[in-house]
Amino acid sequence: GAGVSQSPSNKVTEKGKDVELRCDPISGHTALYWYRQSLGQGLEFLIYFQGNSAPDKSGLPSDRFSAERTGGSVSTLTIQRTQQEDSAVYLCASSHGTSRQETQYFGPGTRLLVL
Amino acid sequence: GQQVMQIPQYQHVQEGEDFTTYCNSSTTLSNIQWYKQRPGGHPVFLIQLVKSGEVKKQKRLTFQFGEAKKNSSLHITATQTTDVGTYFCGGFNNDMRFGAGTRLTVKP
Repeated sequence: GAGVSQSPSNKVTEKGKDVELRCDPISGHTALYWYRQSLGQGLEFLIYFQGNSAPDKSGLPSDRFSAERTGGSVSTLTIQRTQQEDSAVYLCASSHGTSRQETQYFGPGTRLLVL
Repeated sequence: GQQVMQIPQYQHVQEGEDFTTYCNSSTTLSNIQWYKQRPGGHPVFLIQLVKSGEVKKQKRLTFQFGEAKKNSSLHITATQTTDVGTYFCGGFNNDMRFGAGTRLTVKP
């Protein structure tokens, strides 16, 4: 079946511009995560959505970062006024069930480069 | 807050040698998950350990969960070039936190 998809796969933008990254989770998965992975680094948690509950935004690095999940499915991560340090791969993952200890299925990521 | 640390950061081995990566948590974990990320790819789930002292095997891979449920290890016997990638552990205690990963390279 279809896995987690993300778009665009690559994004090059100029410093100061806004960007939107999209994630389509696996159908039926109620949980959705966003992570950031800088070059050669680990997975930095950004935000977690679970059904209709209020999202856990504790990992967002600044107020320039925000995310929405409409209709409990597709999610959009928005970065406003991008900075060069925002350059990274942004990974989305989804999981089945209501527990955060469920197996996470990752998408291919969006590689963001801020010039 | 909860921290998950992994060592080593990098490991380069000759094909056929063994490899081990270690994961340590500052708090007791409910479970631990291991993921593999191939170069240029995305993390893929390998296994989950739940019980204290649990040992699971997948072919040449052996996963252990410590008795205190604060550490874990992944051991690969007789590495192959297909084992190349970054191995991440994710520890769960109220929420999931990932280690920085161990990047394995294998020389043929």
